[in-house]
Amino acid sequence: LAKITQPISMDSYEGQEVNITCSHNNIATNDYITWYQQFPSQGPRFIIQGYKTKVTNEVASLFIPADRKSSTLSLPRVSLSDTAVYYCLVGDGYAGNNRKLIWGLGTSLAVNP
Amino acid sequence: EAQVTQNPRYLITVTGKKLTVTCSQNMNHEYMSWYRQDPGLGLRQIYYSMNVEVTDKGDVPEGYKVSRKEKRNFPLILESPSPNQTSLYFCASRGHMNTEAFFGQGTRLTVV
Repeated sequence: LAKITQPISMDSYEGQEVNITCSHNNIATNDYITWYQQFPSQGPRFIIQGYKTKVTNEVASLFIPADRKSSTLSLPRVSLSDTAVYYCLVGDGYAGNNRKLIWGLGTSLAVNP
Repeated sequence: EAQVTQNPRYLITVTGKKLTVTCSQNMNHEYMSWYRQDPGLGLRQIYYSMNVEVTDKGDVPEGYKVSRKEKRNFPLILESPSPNQTSLYFCASRGHMNTEAFFGQGTRLTVV
């Protein structure tokens, strides 16, 4: 099973780009990489998901190198409202086995004025 | 509005008194899960269900039961709660084939 490592915390300022890197050395061939955002007293919320190379949506980009042993979530021009905990997940969604989703411990991002 | 609804949001109970936390989703999702979240430990899966009448243990199932009699509902049952089950609980649902999971607002349970 993949073991996930991500920084415990990060600090940034409004308007800056933030990159959070997640390490998943034992990622399996079928595993996808997913990122969730969580605000205090709320459930996690899906941000982005990818398998390889680069994925971009309206809120973030996800960069995955060829060896897929790490991934980087990129948040462009963060604002105070991006202060949250960001979780990296690795899992095999296509197997239909929900149990194979492995969560990182989360990165607490603080965006300062 | 697509949502996962948990009840209650907050619950304080005493050791040994059976309780049920309800979870309902309105998206016709096949997969539903229960997680607990504890400081420093992240989210850990308790039980999951791939469809009606199909449930299986997650990583920390001890002391919990679930049932899936209807597609939309997935209650979490604590037959004899203990203080080490004090935690923040989340229910989640998702469709098949690697789709995003939707989480409920959470239930903060305190067992004294």
